[in-house]
Formats: sequence, structure tokens, C-alpha cells
Amino acid sequence: DPKIIQKPKYLVAVTGSEKILICEQYLGHNAMYWYRQSAKKPLEFMFSYSYQKLMDNQTASSRFQPQSSKKNHLDLQITALKPDDSATYFCASSQEWGGGEQYFGPGTRLTVL
Amino acid sequence: AQSVTQPDARVTVSEGASLQLRCKYSYSATPYLFWYVQYPRQGLQLLLKYYSGDPVVQGVNGFEAEFSKSNSSFHLRKASVHWSDSAVYFCAVKSGGSNYKLTFGKGTLLTVTP
Repeated sequence: DPKIIQKPKYLVAVTGSEKILICEQYLGHNAMYWYRQSAKKPLEFMFSYSYQKLMDNQTASSRFQPQSSKKNHLDLQITALKPDDSATYFCASSQEWGGGEQYFGPGTRLTVL
Repeated sequence: AQSVTQPDARVTVSEGASLQLRCKYSYSATPYLFWYVQYPRQGLQLLLKYYSGDPVVQGVNGFEAEFSKSNSSFHLRKASVHWSDSAVYFCAVKSGGSNYKLTFGKGTLLTVTP
């Protein structure tokens, strides 16, 4: 059974719209992360959370807002979508923030038209 | 700021041949280093990690990597590749302190030919 679930697997959106990417982890981890992988850039860190608290935000735009309703959930809301937002978004988790290795979900591939 | 360089964007080897994928890192403190593999249309899977101690670390599926502080490198090796090893391989360094995150290289696409 998959331990980190990301929904949907594929997502197509129009410019200017808003989407929410879902991430749930069943590893019992206390830290969660978002990364982005696009055609133009390598995998890059976006956010980290520990016990549902934002620890680090490396995205320049406020259009990206993580949301943690439960300890094992970390969704990513993206507003005013742009074609440059097209990428695969990976959720990851680790036992604790700052320690141990990170495990990745299968990703959500977002295409903005 | 830390960085990771994977100088080879693509590597092609014959099945049964040995493999080395190169990784150079830049980090001021003691690095925590990782290799991840990404199979087509899948997420990243952890192959192996180095935190301290023996510079040669063993991973899954016969992979190993060697840490060299003097060369700032963490090269991945395998003695005999299989066609199923075809994938993209990412080297990553973990920063610490208040800026805890993984920094990845651009990845190396490995193609194993029959």
C-alpha cells in the first residue's frame, strides 16, 4: 500500500484559476515538505512543516499556500495559476524535521494552459 | 548555500557492465548526502544515504556510494547493471540548522542497453 498519497495524479488547469494539490502520509511522520520539479529547473524545495507548523518557505510567491488540516496532511493551494507553474509537485515526509531521510510521494503533474 | 552538481546529464551502459554516476557537492558543514532514483512516471525512491562513518555506504539493489571529503564528491556505483536500472538518478545534500531542506542535482538519466 502506498505510504504517501498524492491526489490527483494529473491536473490540467487554465491560466488564472486555482487548484489544490492533496498530500497524505501514513508513515507516522511529523514533518512534511513540498518540492517542485519542472522542465526548466531541478527538483527544488518549496515548504517544510513540522507538527503542522510552517518551518521554512522558499517560494517567492504568495500564490502558493500550504494547508495542514491534520498532522499527516499537507495540501498545497495554488492561486492565479500561470503557465510557468506547470510542473510535477512532490510531497515528502520525514520522521522529524531536521533529522532522518525524506520519503517522497508519486507526485502531481500540473499543466497550466 | 549548498549546491549539487551532477556533471553527466545522460549515461548509457550495456547490461552487465559496471556503472559510476558522479556527484559533486558544495556545503560548508558536514554534509548529509543521498542518492534517489526516479523510475518513469513515478516518485523518488531513496537508494542510499551517508551521514558519517565508513565512506562507502551500501544501498538497495546492489548500489553503493563513496563519500570523499577531500574531493567533495559522493559518486554512485554498481558492479553490474540490469536493464531495470534505467531511470533518472538524483544526488542530494541535506542542509541543517534553520534551513533544513534537500538540495538536488539536475539528475542523470541512465539508459541500460541490452
